[in-house]
Amino acid sequence: RKEVEQDPGPFNVPEGATVAFNCTYSNSASQSFFWYRQDCRKEPKLLMSVYSSGNEDGRFTAQLNRASQYISLLIRDSKLSDSATYLCVVSRGDLRNSGNTPLVFGKGTRLSVIA
Amino acid sequence: GAVVSQHPSWVICKSGTSVKIECRSLDFQATTMFWYRQFPKQSLMLMATSNEGSKATYEQGVEKDKFLINHASLTLSTLTVTSAHPEDSSFYICSARRSRVEKLFFGSGTQLSVL
Repeated sequence: RKEVEQDPGPFNVPEGATVAFNCTYSNSASQSFFWYRQDCRKEPKLLMSVYSSGNEDGRFTAQLNRASQYISLLIRDSKLSDSATYLCVVSRGDLRNSGNTPLVFGKGTRLSVIA
Repeated sequence: GAVVSQHPSWVICKSGTSVKIECRSLDFQATTMFWYRQFPKQSLMLMATSNEGSKATYEQGVEKDKFLINHASLTLSTLTVTSAHPEDSSFYICSARRSRVEKLFFGSGTQLSVL
């Protein structure tokens, strides 16, 4: 089983739509969770961290369910500029305990927002 | 903010040659750096964890004799693809984290094309 699995996509949505991305992870020792976005052949950029209590940043809302090892990202009122690949990212352990703990990336879900 | 510099951005080489990629942390000391590889339409795959002053930790399936990692200082890690072949053509990207800080900073990546 892969460490991080995401919706295969791609998602093609009109401007203004709400779109949800889902992600599951297999390592119960994982403690840190993130959503990154990646534009074609560019480095990934941190979109937001994900906390158990859920967190929101403008049009973006992230949720974490540790019991089911599930992470989600919701984008409301999608813009053309949201078109990118969204990567679910999970730490292998606890980042606070060891700087050697790597991040594992999901395959990503491609989003295309259409005018 | 912290910046990670990666060089070169593009490399085109003949089969059998070796290619060195540099990753530098510009305004912080990185005791640990991570090297990832990304094939087209695939996720970032962790290749190895590079630790300053010690041997790198390689992921299962990554040949350590082919992908030589050197982390001789707190600001520089290098990845050398030895005797490169066309199947090594990929997007290589490094990342680093300041100790005890969760955010991962990425280099801009190196697109390697082996002819």
